[in-house]
Amino acid sequence: NAGVMQNPRHLVRRRGQEARLRCSPMKGHSHVYWYRQLPEEGLKFMVYLQKENIIDESGMPKERFSAEFPKEGPSILRIQQVVRGDSAAYFCASSPRSQANEKLFFGSGTQLSVL
Amino acid sequence: GENVEQHPSTLSVQEGDSAVIKCTYSDSASNYFPWYKQELGKGPQLIIDIRSNVGEKKDQRIAVTLNKTAKHFSLHITETQPEDSAVYFCAANTNAGKSTFGDGTTLTVKP
Repeated sequence: NAGVMQNPRHLVRRRGQEARLRCSPMKGHSHVYWYRQLPEEGLKFMVYLQKENIIDESGMPKERFSAEFPKEGPSILRIQQVVRGDSAAYFCASSPRSQANEKLFFGSGTQLSVL
Repeated sequence: GENVEQHPSTLSVQEGDSAVIKCTYSDSASNYFPWYKQELGKGPQLIIDIRSNVGEKKDQRIAVTLNKTAKHFSLHITETQPEDSAVYFCAANTNAGKSTFGDGTTLTVKP
């Protein structure tokens, strides 16, 4: 049973380009969460999605960032017109249910570097 | 919203000694407290968790305690080994899956 799969592992973009980060949850999991981790900091919640629905996007910047989790295929975190401050590790996690005490299973992350 | 503080930020112990990491939270509605271990270049992995109706939980060399009145919880690792060296994060959950993380503790176990 494969774990949470994220790709690419490393992504380099120049300022102004678009970044697309992909996340395939564990088999049987329909809840996906995206977190951002800056160097030597904890993980900051960005967005929580179920299939075809954004449930909570309170941690997402208002501009340039968007997320989706289509009926078929992986969840996508999209960052338009990237800036240097977007450089960070982006982690995706999944769970089978939406209860507050549900365990999260994390992927290995995508390290985004903006030149 | 929830705020989680974690101490210390770095911890160095001798192999075989115990390590203790402490966290406090602000939202009394939080009812689930997981701990994660993150190794270099990897995502966080759950190592132990505790629910608000339990005061203590143990799994081999790892234990977690929770004091709801004081709003703090702690991770205890006994008989530390070099492979325990990693960054450890505490977290608190109020809403579904939306964990609020502490800033992490870098644990170094010296052989």
